[in-house]
Amino acid sequence: GIQVEQSPPDLILQEGANSTLRCNFSDSVNNLQWFHQNPWGQLINLFYIPSGTKQNGRLSATTVATERYSLLYISSSQTTDSGVYFCAVAPDLSGAGSYQLTFGKGTKLSVIP
Amino acid sequence: GAVVSQHPSRVICKSGTSVKIECRSLDFQATTMFWYRQFPKQSLMLMATSNEGSKATYEQGVEKDKFLINHASLTLSTLTVTSAHPEDSSFYICSASWGTPIFQETQYFGPGTRLLVL
Repeated sequence: GIQVEQSPPDLILQEGANSTLRCNFSDSVNNLQWFHQNPWGQLINLFYIPSGTKQNGRLSATTVATERYSLLYISSSQTTDSGVYFCAVAPDLSGAGSYQLTFGKGTKLSVIP
Repeated sequence: GAVVSQHPSRVICKSGTSVKIECRSLDFQATTMFWYRQFPKQSLMLMATSNEGSKATYEQGVEKDKFLINHASLTLSTLTVTSAHPEDSSFYICSASWGTPIFQETQYFGPGTRLLVL
């Protein structure tokens, strides 16, 4: 099956700093999503981004599908950004169901005041 | 929009009992619902995929007789852990999406259910 690798596994930031999280995947995808899992376990949708660039406030994401990676940028980090960030992908299986997501192991972000 | 609820949020049960977890899409009709399992400090693992009105498709290694999934309507799916044992203790998360059987886009996740089997 498709492999998803996220880096770094852990990241500690001072409040106000910027960061870049990376997601590499082993095959072509037609679905890529970024999630934030808060300390209570709730997964929050950040971006649906199988290709291209999107921005939402202090967060932005870029996926370069041809090179099989995606980046999540967090600017001016806040303590509420703490949690685990997951990248999840579904492979581009022509003519077959392509909606089953495979998750990476996540990046645990800790933002300290 | 796109809110998914789960009930209960946490449950403690004795070994050998069965536990039912409900997953509801509150403001949209979900053609497909997914069930995941997450162990502490680990990633989410897909257990099964269910389409409304048809049998669930289980991932390799998931016991279909242990984890019964019913997707009776476009807004409700249930996961029943039968004859639960301590090793079934985990965080169970459902998600829902809509679209065609071939391609669906964003999955929306419920808040999860923490199961502890004593």
